[in-house]
Amino acid sequence: AQKITQTQPGMFVQEKEAVTLDCTYDTSDPSYGLFWYKQPSSGEMIFLIYQGSYDQQNATEGRYSLNFQKARKSANLVISASQLGDSAMYFCAMREQITGANSKLTFGKGITLSVRP
Amino acid sequence: GAGVSQSPRYKVTKRGQDVALRCDPISGHVSLYWYRQALGQGPEFLTYFNYEAQQDKSGLPNDRFSAERPEGSISTLTIQRTEQRDSAMYRCASSTRQLNSPLHFGNGTRLTVT
Repeated sequence: AQKITQTQPGMFVQEKEAVTLDCTYDTSDPSYGLFWYKQPSSGEMIFLIYQGSYDQQNATEGRYSLNFQKARKSANLVISASQLGDSAMYFCAMREQITGANSKLTFGKGITLSVRP
Repeated sequence: GAGVSQSPRYKVTKRGQDVALRCDPISGHVSLYWYRQALGQGPEFLTYFNYEAQQDKSGLPNDRFSAERPEGSISTLTIQRTEQRDSAMYRCASSTRQLNSPLHFGNGTRLTVT
């Protein structure tokens, strides 16, 4: 079974509007972390936001927020007030904590977001 | 340096040749990761180290792939007897050991096997 599922086709949003990018995950570990990355056409990988499984509140970082629904195992990224520079590929990733240590990040296949002027 | 540094940026090699890809992590980062990324896909895990110890190599596709980090800093990913299917972007990343520590990625090495 896939650990991270991103099934949306290419997404389009009008500049200045909000957009939600979906991510569901699969784990039996009680302790894990969820990450979102942005990859523009230049190819760099840019960390956006983190949500821990025990965090009581949804994470926010500027225009980025995470809609974390633990029971549904979903961690959707919300981008408010979209800008042209938000056009990129977005990856959801999960790290499971095994025996108290860190472990690898497992990435989803990504979602392409295009912002229209 | 300030970020993760990878070299070379581009590598073109003939099928059957060996290649070595280098990664210099962020100073002080204990964990170092290698990923492979095909165009339009998410990064695929290969292996990772804490200090000099290889913690997980479950993502290495076969025994032609190996990695080392002998002094707990710089790492080398080696591909022996390269094949065309090895062509991809190879990315290195580093982080601290905390669960909430993001991976900081280098710009990658674009490997093309002809």
